[in-house]
Amino acid sequence: DQQVKQNSPSLSVQEGRISILNCDYTNSMFDYFLWYKKYPAEGPTFLISISSIKDKNEDGRFTVFLNKSAKHLSLHIVPSQPGDSAVYFCAASEGGATNKLIFGTGTLLAVQP
Amino acid sequence: DTAVSQTPKYLVTQMGNDKSIKCEQNLGHDTMYWYKQDSKKFLKIMFSYNNKELIINETVPNRFSPKSPDKAHLNLHINSLELGDSAVYFCASSQAGQGGVYGYTFGSGTRLTVV
Repeated sequence: DQQVKQNSPSLSVQEGRISILNCDYTNSMFDYFLWYKKYPAEGPTFLISISSIKDKNEDGRFTVFLNKSAKHLSLHIVPSQPGDSAVYFCAASEGGATNKLIFGTGTLLAVQP
Repeated sequence: DTAVSQTPKYLVTQMGNDKSIKCEQNLGHDTMYWYKQDSKKFLKIMFSYNNKELIINETVPNRFSPKSPDKAHLNLHINSLELGDSAVYFCASSQAGQGGVYGYTFGSGTRLTVV
C-alpha cells in the first residue's frame, strides 16, 4: 500500500511561469515532509522540507505548502527555469530514531524555454 | 570531494552470481541507508544502519545482506542474483534523528543489470 502518492507522472511548464507539483499521503503519523530533485544518472538531492506543525516553508524560488486536513502537500517553483527540469520526489517521515523516508513515485517536470 | 560515493556505478552480471556494492560517506553522518529504485522508478528503503547497528530491515530477500564495518561505510552484498534484482541501488546518509528535517544525502546510484 503506497503511503505517499504523486498522481501526476509528468508536468510541462513555460519558463518564467509557476510550477506546482502535488503529493498526497495516507499516514497521519508522518511528521516531516520533503521534496527531492533528481537528474538522470544522479542521486536525488534534497530541496526543501516542512514539519507537520507548519503549513508553509519557503526557500528562494521554492515553497512547500502542507494541508494536513487534506493530507496533501505541494511544491511551488516560481519562476520556473529550464534547469529545474528533473524528476521531483515527495517524501515523508514519521521522525523518531529511524527517520525512514517513504517516497512517492515522482513527477517529471519539463520547463520549456 | 564526493559526499556519498558508491562503487561500482554500473554492474552487469549473470543470474546466480554473487556481487557487492560499496558505499562510503565523508559527511560524519551516523546513519546510512540502502534504497532500491525499480523499473517503475519507485524508491523503496531496504536497510538502515546507525553507528554500525541495523535499525531498519524491510521485507527484503535473505539473499541481500548489508554490512557496516564502521559508521562511514555501508556495503550491500547480494547472493544468487536473479533477474528481478535488476534496479538502481542508492546509498544515502543522514545525521541521526535529523533525516526528516535536513533530508538524506544520496550517492549517485549503482545500476545493476542481471542477465
